[in-house]
Amino acid sequence: ELKVEQNPLFLSMQEGKNYTIYCNYSTTSDRLYWYRQDPGKSLESLFVLLSNGAVKQEGRLMASLDTKARLSTLHITAAVHDLSATYFCAVDNAGNQFYFGTGTSLTVIP
Amino acid sequence: DTAVSQTPKYLVTQMGNDKSIKCEQNLGHDTMYWYKQDSKKFLKIMFSYNNKELIINETVPNRFSPKSPDKAHLNLHINSLELGDSAVYFCASSQYRAIETQYFGPGTRLLVL
Repeated sequence: ELKVEQNPLFLSMQEGKNYTIYCNYSTTSDRLYWYRQDPGKSLESLFVLLSNGAVKQEGRLMASLDTKARLSTLHITAAVHDLSATYFCAVDNAGNQFYFGTGTSLTVIP
Repeated sequence: DTAVSQTPKYLVTQMGNDKSIKCEQNLGHDTMYWYKQDSKKFLKIMFSYNNKELIINETVPNRFSPKSPDKAHLNLHINSLELGDSAVYFCASSQYRAIETQYFGPGTRLLVL
């Protein structure tokens, strides 16, 4: 079974700072997804990365994919309180089977 | 209009019962999914389905079965409920089998007593 590891699991950061969340996976895949989940809420799809070197940006979030390193990053620029949430990455093994990371709980402190 | 809707929002039931959760999407998507999120927030895909193919996560017990009366609906039927089935179940949809963005329903919180 494909393994997906996220780190850190918990992240507390001050407003205005930058940070990166890492997502490593264990087998070859060229489809990776990032989601956001607010407490008690549903999931929101953030990014779909479909090829090596893919980079996508939305507001203060930027996601990238390195399929050779089996690594995706979610970079947060100048964090604001509204970004506080849990972020999940997921990998698709091309069989439409999604494997999720454990999630990174982000708290942005004023 | 809600893009992906689920009913019920909450479901409390006894062990051994059979229950269904309904999901409808009005986005015209061709693929729908069911996910399970347990008490530790761990997410697992259960099924993905379009009008041509059902893909089942092999770890899902056969007590769980998806039923799709039409392209806009994918219901989840659960037989002989067990305590471990307590979780939040999310429905989602996308176009082109997840190459495009997935849209999630609000979730159904299932508690088995």
